[in-house]
Amino acid sequence: DGGITQSPKYLFRKEGQNVTLSCEQNLNHDAMYWYRQDPGQGLRLIYYSQIVNDFQKGDIAEGYSVSREKKESFPLTVTSAQKNPTAFYLCASMDRWRGNQPQHFGDGTRLSIL
Amino acid sequence: GQQLNQSPQSMFIQEGEDVSMNCTSSSIFNTWLWYKQDPGEGPVLLIALYKAGELTSNGRLTAQFGITRKDSFLNISASIPSDVGIYFCAGHPISGTYKYIFGTGTRLKVLA
Repeated sequence: DGGITQSPKYLFRKEGQNVTLSCEQNLNHDAMYWYRQDPGQGLRLIYYSQIVNDFQKGDIAEGYSVSREKKESFPLTVTSAQKNPTAFYLCASMDRWRGNQPQHFGDGTRLSIL
Repeated sequence: GQQLNQSPQSMFIQEGEDVSMNCTSSSIFNTWLWYKQDPGEGPVLLIALYKAGELTSNGRLTAQFGITRKDSFLNISASIPSDVGIYFCAGHPISGTYKYIFGTGTRLKVLA
């Protein structure tokens, strides 16, 4: 089954700790995205990548880092510099070579502070 | 970052009623998407619109790409309890980037 897999479903972070959220897709999509969702708010773009070994900052990149070493994978690290990391994190991918294709989402990771 | 104006923010309706919601933007878009998100899950694509004036249905859902290219509408007919959730719109600006702009969501609650 083609899709986007995010793990873990729930993650807890201790103060001063970096944590990494996994996102894997088998849709053969070039473009991948990370969004943050806070209660009652829309999706805010953290980072996106249009192709392997390339990524750009979104609207709220401070305190986060990403890598794109493989087409299938786009992990997000929430660093200790992110002072308010508690949120629902969503990964998405898109086939950018076929016009304005929709973004497809994973099931999300909920990050909380211990 | 830019976000779309989506209304209403929330609505309570009786089962069987029709529902309408909309998104507006100050920018022109060339694609509109509508998603539904259940609690604790990722958004699921409902309808994609690619041309001004386009009207597309998916079961009891109908969405329209506004003629001005700055708005879109979603209607749900004869609502049922499983329609409960958050509905998001997303628009793709004509600037040519590979980013979508998302609305703030409409939270729908259906009373049986």
